[in-house]
Amino acid sequence: ELKVEQNPLFLSMQEGKNYTIYCNYSTTSDRLYWYRQDPGKSLESLFVLLSNGAVKQEGRLMASLDTKARLSTLHITAAVHDLSATYFCAVDMTGGGADGLTFGKGTHLIIQP
Amino acid sequence: DSGVTQTPKHLITATGQRVTLRCSPRSGDLSVYWYQQSLDQGLQFLIQYYNGEERAKGNILERFSAQQFPDLHSELNLSSLELGDSALYFCASSVSGLQSEKLFFGSGTQLSVL
Repeated sequence: ELKVEQNPLFLSMQEGKNYTIYCNYSTTSDRLYWYRQDPGKSLESLFVLLSNGAVKQEGRLMASLDTKARLSTLHITAAVHDLSATYFCAVDMTGGGADGLTFGKGTHLIIQP
Repeated sequence: DSGVTQTPKHLITATGQRVTLRCSPRSGDLSVYWYQQSLDQGLQFLIQYYNGEERAKGNILERFSAQQFPDLHSELNLSSLELGDSALYFCASSVSGLQSEKLFFGSGTQLSVL
């Protein structure tokens, strides 16, 4: 059974600081996804990482994937209040064909002015 | 706005009842997914359809069923409802259901079973 673990699950930080959210998964996969969810809202796709060593950046967020370590990171640079949300990583484990994603429990991020 | 439409937004019902949740995917998307989000279980994949055919099945209970119609909208039917079925049910869609694709999520249906 595929397990996806995020840490930390809760994070309170100040604006302007840098921080990293970690996502570990338990089985071989070279596809990892990051989503954002605002309170009471739906999920918004942030990044799709499709190979070992993949790095993607958008604004103050940068995601990377190390398939050998089964680890993805979401790095926040110079955080701003608007980035407060819950961040989920998700992994799919099958090779070929389609399957559902297995999500981590989410990291609830609060950025204080 | 993701372009995925879910109705109703909220649903309150009693144990033992049956409800139907509806999802209209983004224009042009052939694949529809259903996910359940609850505090204790987190986000769990239920089922996926592609162009009317079931493509993948996750942790979907036997009391639950789904289908995708020729116009590509999908319905999730939940029957013999239990208190533990209370959750937020999301529908998502993608163009072809390939693993490299982004999923676009609807705003969800909040189901409360009393």
